[in-house]
Amino acid sequence: AQKVTQAQTEISVVEKEDVTLDCVYETRDTTYYLFWYKQPPSGELVFLIRRNSFDEQNEISGRYSWNFQKSTSSFNFTITASQVVDSAVYFCALSEVYNTDKLIFGTGTRLQVFP
Amino acid sequence: NAGVTQTPKFQVLKTGQSMTLQCAQDMNHNSMYWYRQDPGMGLRLIYYSASEGTTDKGEVPNGYNVSRLNKREFSLRLESAAPSQTSVYFCASSEEPGTVINQPQHFGDGTRLSIL
Repeated sequence: AQKVTQAQTEISVVEKEDVTLDCVYETRDTTYYLFWYKQPPSGELVFLIRRNSFDEQNEISGRYSWNFQKSTSSFNFTITASQVVDSAVYFCALSEVYNTDKLIFGTGTRLQVFP
Repeated sequence: NAGVTQTPKFQVLKTGQSMTLQCAQDMNHNSMYWYRQDPGMGLRLIYYSASEGTTDKGEVPNGYNVSRLNKREFSLRLESAAPSQTSVYFCASSEEPGTVINQPQHFGDGTRLSIL
């Protein structure tokens, strides 16, 4: 069965610190997609990244970077030099190619960045 | 650029009442979805519509019905609301119409629904 685990319920950091949000997934498929979404205090969900299972290359987008390791079934998200505006709940999600309309979400990690 | 629009944003119902949550997207997406978000449980798929005229059950469909009115609109109906349906409801649509693999990437702002 598919499952996404975000073991960190809440993380607090001080501005400018680097922070890594962990995501571990379970799937029987060899082809699948992984996602990260951000949910700021205003409540909307903001798509951050989608990565397919054949692409293990790390991705960097500004202060955000993602580390995908199939060997450990992990898709971790790092924010470099965190800012107060990064405070949000971050969700990791998984979908399998043959069940493409169903996203399995983790329970989320609440990140609080203090000035 | 509105994206995905949900109405209403907030609603309070009494047990047994019915209501319809509306969702519309202006991105010409083929697929649309309804999720619910409960504390500590992430988001769970209720129903989805891969294309106009089709709907399928997701992970937690009981107590809900949906209608894909046209390509833009996908509504979620609670026929007889129960306190267990108190949640935040999100509508989403996929970004790559016409491809084999459609993934929800664009979400509405959510509807906070309380059932008393």
